[in-house]
Amino acid sequence: GQNIDQPTEMTATEGAIVQINCTYQTSGFNGLFWYQQHAGEAPTFLSYNVLDGLEEKGRFSSFLSRSKGYSYLLLKELQMKDSASYLCAVRDSNYQLIWGAGTKLIIKP
Amino acid sequence: SQTIHQWPATLVQPVGSPLSLECTVEGTSNPNLYWYRQAAGRGLQLLFYSVGIGQISSEVPQNLSASRPQDRQFILSSKKLLLSDSGFYLCAWRIGWEAGELFFGEGSRLTVL
Repeated sequence: GQNIDQPTEMTATEGAIVQINCTYQTSGFNGLFWYQQHAGEAPTFLSYNVLDGLEEKGRFSSFLSRSKGYSYLLLKELQMKDSASYLCAVRDSNYQLIWGAGTKLIIKP
Repeated sequence: SQTIHQWPATLVQPVGSPLSLECTVEGTSNPNLYWYRQAAGRGLQLLFYSVGIGQISSEVPQNLSASRPQDRQFILSSKKLLLSDSGFYLCAWRIGWEAGELFFGEGSRLTVL
């Protein structure tokens, strides 16, 4: 079967750095996505990785290791507005997205 | 620029009543359209997708149905709602089957009582 695992909840302090991990087992691989979802709202796109390595976009970075079936999302200089759920999704061999359950990130002042 | 809208945003329906959620996309042609359901603590569940007018693929057997009467319109329906249909429904689109990210509508919160 296809499976995406990420921690259910994490807590971090404003101004700090947090890393949210995602491991996957899917039928094929055609890219990995990270989305941010604030409570009661729709997900919004954060990043996309298809090759191994680190992709940096402002305060957010995403890393991929295809051989390990592993990715992480790194958030720097945390702000209160970063409190949200972070969803990991893998595109399989049929170009369908398989979604993790999401990681709820709580930022404390 | 492309936009996606879905409505209603919130609805409370009795068991056994019908359902209609509507989604429209503007600023693009022939998008791939998707209906997802999100339950608390679970990943997004793909319900239906469509690659063209009148073409619907169902991913999960259920009492829901979808239709695409126009290129940029996608409708989710039910004739008789069940308690288990409660959830957060999301419409999404992307350009092409191998394209990048999905763009989501605002979401519809359905509570079946």
